[in-house]
Amino acid sequence: GESVGLHLPTLSVQEGDNSIINCAYSNSASDYFIWYKQESGKGPQFIIDIRSNMDKRQGQRVTVLLNKTVKHLSLQIAATQPGDSAVYFCAENSGGGADGLTFGKGTHLIIQP
Amino acid sequence: DGGITQSPKYLFRKEGQNVTLSCEQNLNHDAMYWYRQDPGQGLRLIYYSQIVNDFQKGDIAEGYSVSREKKESFPLTVTSAQKNPTAFYLCASSELDTQYFGPGTRLTVL
Repeated sequence: GESVGLHLPTLSVQEGDNSIINCAYSNSASDYFIWYKQESGKGPQFIIDIRSNMDKRQGQRVTVLLNKTVKHLSLQIAATQPGDSAVYFCAENSGGGADGLTFGKGTHLIIQP
Repeated sequence: DGGITQSPKYLFRKEGQNVTLSCEQNLNHDAMYWYRQDPGQGLRLIYYSQIVNDFQKGDIAEGYSVSREKKESFPLTVTSAQKNPTAFYLCASSELDTQYFGPGTRLTVL
């Protein structure tokens, strides 16, 4: 999602529920996408990636879905736990330039007990 | 223990001073990057280096400088010309497309 000013979009879920975080990417030429998790005051942590020749990729408790038609990426987290509270953001390689990735602003996931 | 380290974790600077942020990696990655992160915004690229002794400006290079004398090290200097340096600075290195980040340095100008 998009953010306005200093406020990130927030997703609040109950512990144990599934979470779905969405990202609209910008460049139809992008062929590689990553989801990162960033906890407060820490550096981003790689979660999962996907290439454009795939629609879905699964990891441990996480699934990434790619819809190239509408340039949309989603991250699904199963059985959300308190430790999942963080900001999640997507990144795309925007055509594979030497300057690396283009990053989204992020979504703040809050876990309710 | 492989990874990317950044130091210091917190840094305070008086106006008019230059400060240097350290970034070291032992992942044997060729490419390294510096980003700035401000509240509610995505990461913005300051400088990047694809190989030793070579580096390129990113989107917001003004007021910053870098060097890449060793593969493992990519220090960032925030100069007095940077008008709004208070931010969270992140260093990354990459293997092909995937970037891995260090823990960050929070710089505050007093």
